[in-house]
Amino acid sequence: AQSVTQLGSHVSVSEGALVLLRCNYSSSVPPYLFWYVQYPNQGLQLLLKYTTGATLVKGINGFEAEFKKSETSFHLTKPSAHMSDAAEYFCAVSRGIAGGTSYGKLTFGQGTILTVHP
Amino acid sequence: GAVVSQHPSRVICKSGTSVKIECRSLDFQATTMFWYRQFPKQSLMLMATSNEGSKATYEQGVEKDKFLINHASLTLSTLTVTSAHPEDSSFYICSASPSSVNSPLHFGNGTRLTVT
Repeated sequence: AQSVTQLGSHVSVSEGALVLLRCNYSSSVPPYLFWYVQYPNQGLQLLLKYTTGATLVKGINGFEAEFKKSETSFHLTKPSAHMSDAAEYFCAVSRGIAGGTSYGKLTFGQGTILTVHP
Repeated sequence: GAVVSQHPSRVICKSGTSVKIECRSLDFQATTMFWYRQFPKQSLMLMATSNEGSKATYEQGVEKDKFLINHASLTLSTLTVTSAHPEDSSFYICSASPSSVNSPLHFGNGTRLTVT
């Protein structure tokens, strides 16, 4: 079984400040890890993903995340927050299937709402 | 990039009626699509996996007779909420992935269902 825990349902930062959204996972197999962003009443947009290889993953809009197996973490960061970053962020895990890939069966965390103050 | 279109974006229906939600992959073929449900202020929960040309696979606790899924072509999956009740009110989101290896999921914009 897999699970995801996002620490902090709400995070508030000032514009220009560091953004840090925390995600810890549990998985019995090597995980595939994802961060998605959701704007109100919209679907999810993929920010970045980790499957194999380099543990520091860069995504869109200046976000990046680092896979730390020893800590079972995949925290999302951005050096300088922008007002347009205000949204809800979801961390997710899936089981990679050897010989092919199915990202469809995702287990999501509870989400973190990011607020950016001027 | 790959686009998934979901329709309608909002629907209000009366208790006892059925509602159909469409999910289309616009520029790629998807042998598999996924239906998620999101309750207010909660995360997304996978409801079922829609397989083109075969029966959908439902997650534990999801009533297959209430949530009918049809995946008749490589670009279209539909979710029909039958005999809707107020507790079915939720945000439903579909997702799909191009069939090639290592393709990420793309999500539709969701459907807000309100049952009165």
